[in-house]
Amino acid sequence: EAQVTQNPRYLITVTGKKLTVTCSQNMNHEYMSWYRQDPGLGLRQIYYSMNVEVTDKGDVPEGYKVSRKEKRNFPLILESPSPNQTSLYFCASSDWTGLAKNIQYFGAGTRLSVL
Amino acid sequence: ILNVEQSPQSLHVQEGDSTNFTCSFPSSNFYALHWYRWETAKSPEALFVMTLNGDEKKKGRISATLNTKEGYSYLYIKGSQPEDSATYLCASMNSGYSTLTFGKGTMLLVSP
Repeated sequence: EAQVTQNPRYLITVTGKKLTVTCSQNMNHEYMSWYRQDPGLGLRQIYYSMNVEVTDKGDVPEGYKVSRKEKRNFPLILESPSPNQTSLYFCASSDWTGLAKNIQYFGAGTRLSVL
Repeated sequence: ILNVEQSPQSLHVQEGDSTNFTCSFPSSNFYALHWYRWETAKSPEALFVMTLNGDEKKKGRISATLNTKEGYSYLYIKGSQPEDSATYLCASMNSGYSTLTFGKGTMLLVSP
């Protein structure tokens, strides 16, 4: 089954404690992306990657890091989480080329609370 | 950052009503417009991708139109059902950008 898998689904942590949210896709997509969803603000892109070892900032990259060492994985790293990073996070992947026009396939979401 | 706006913010209709929402996006250097359906506690799922001015797409009772010259898209739901209750997101991508910019969504509630 084609899917994007995020872990964990829920996470409660404290300020300053480094954490990683994993994301994996099995569709051989080149393009992967992280979004955060906050009430009243819509989905905002944090980082994206167009291929292995190629990453770029989205609209709200501050406080986050990503890596793309393999095509299927795109972890999101919060080196020193702060309460304003409490949010619902989505990983997505897409076939960047041709007719697909970057249709995003989303993971189930990770709800993060930073105390 | 592109400015993508959706209206209304929320909508409450009765079962059987037809409804429509609007998505406005920058028309310059337009590349593609996406519509997604997002049910509570699930992840967004793609409904349509449209690229050409005048495009019309249909999926069951849901259809969408695109006007790239004036920068808007309409999503129509005919004979709304309670299972149509969801947030409908549009997202725009312009040539030269590698990202999708999402609107804030329209939350639809269909009462039986």
